[in-house]
Amino acid sequence: SQQGEEDPQALSIQEGENATMNCSYKTSINNLQWYRQNSGRGLVHLILIRSNEREKHSGRLRVTLDTSKKSSSLLITASRAADTASYFCATLRLIQGAQKLVFGQGTRLTINP
Amino acid sequence: ETGVTQSPTHLIKTRGQQVTLRCSSQSGHNTVSWYQQALGQGPQFIFQYYREEENGRGNFPPRFSGLQFPNYSSELNVNALELDDSALYLCASSLRTGSYEQYFGPGTRLTVT
Repeated sequence: SQQGEEDPQALSIQEGENATMNCSYKTSINNLQWYRQNSGRGLVHLILIRSNEREKHSGRLRVTLDTSKKSSSLLITASRAADTASYFCATLRLIQGAQKLVFGQGTRLTINP
Repeated sequence: ETGVTQSPTHLIKTRGQQVTLRCSSQSGHNTVSWYQQALGQGPQFIFQYYREEENGRGNFPPRFSGLQFPNYSSELNVNALELDDSALYLCASSLRTGSYEQYFGPGTRLTVT
């Protein structure tokens, strides 16, 4: 089952604008991660935010985490055509000794030139 | 590039057949996880291997099985293929201890007809 829900499911904006994607999750977490996936290929790790952090930056990416609301957001500033991709949030769960990532359904982001 | 490779890139099989997918982990990583991603969905955890043993499994039937070899490369085997097995199969390698980040390969697109 999916741990979280991304919102919106699809987002289309003009190049140069900012894109914000939201993620909600259901259980307590140690950290939350964001991944990018281009055209149904492999996932690329973008950023990890720990449960004791509220905000984290990496280049044009800004991630926030609100553990009281069990939600996170990913902001991409000054978007570029190359940012067109699907974005997933994921939480790490321990199952039978294995560390598994539990993903949401993703936000499909399209940047229009 | 994450250094994780998968083969083949695409595969078409007939219902009832068996398939083997392969993954080569990033150098130094001793843990490999397999995920199934249906179209338009987030990846779902199949199982994880550590030091050649399965140490956790998601909600997948026994006809999904795997192997991890001493060089940490891995195989995913699926028997008695069903139409719903059509998906992108992703492997991810990681360090067993103290690492939250998993490095994904580009995936194998399996189509079952």
